Amino acid sequence: NAGVTQTPKFRVLKTGQSMTLLCAQDMNHEYMYWYRQDPGMGLRLIHYSVGEGTTAKGEVPDGYNVSRLKKQNFLLGLESAAPSQTSVYFCASSPLTGAWVGSYEQYFGPGTRLTVT
Amino acid sequence: ELKVEQNPLFLSMQEGKNYTIYCNYSTTSDRLYWYRQDPGKSLESLFVLLSNGAVKQEGRLMASLDTKARLSTLHITAAVHDLSATYFCAVASGGYSGGGADGLTFGKGTHLIIQP
Repeated sequence: NAGVTQTPKFRVLKTGQSMTLLCAQDMNHEYMYWYRQDPGMGLRLIHYSVGEGTTAKGEVPDGYNVSRLKKQNFLLGLESAAPSQTSVYFCASSPLTGAWVGSYEQYFGPGTRLTVT
Repeated sequence: ELKVEQNPLFLSMQEGKNYTIYCNYSTTSDRLYWYRQDPGKSLESLFVLLSNGAVKQEGRLMASLDTKARLSTLHITAAVHDLSATYFCAVASGGYSGGGADGLTFGKGTHLIIQP
């Protein structure tokens, strides 16, 4: 199992450009999440999905859109990048909760470092 | 709104010493997580605490949860240099009844430096 993978690993954008970050998981997890990490801020939830075809807003959703057309993929889009979106983006996935040990784990991808100039 | 506070935010200590990182959160939650992050890397799961009084230990790290006080601690015993990292606590905002799908609210992290 590759676990959670993210594409690309690094990207530099100019203000106003658009891009899509791809998150893929091969663990058949129901739940997927996008977080951003800024220095001194911890991680903050952008959007999440509880299943294929569903999305919901997190703490900091403005300026981002997401889609989950396939269970294994969760896409994060920036339609018009701004310098304030310079950050490290982490995707995570989690199985449907249950009584078995480990069912509440969130598994994180390696991150995408995005710079907007 | 769920708020998670960690302290201290920075900690420099010597090898062999003991220390505790504290994590307070503002509203009731069923799950508390501890993660480790090395510079430029992703998050590594350390512990998931699910009930009041839960205590988990792995090597020199021990985590506990007091849901009534809304407090979790991460205790480091006889620190070694390899434990230098940033440690995050995170709290789930959704309860079991909601399927546990809600994301996590993170503290700002504790940057731990252990001097040889």
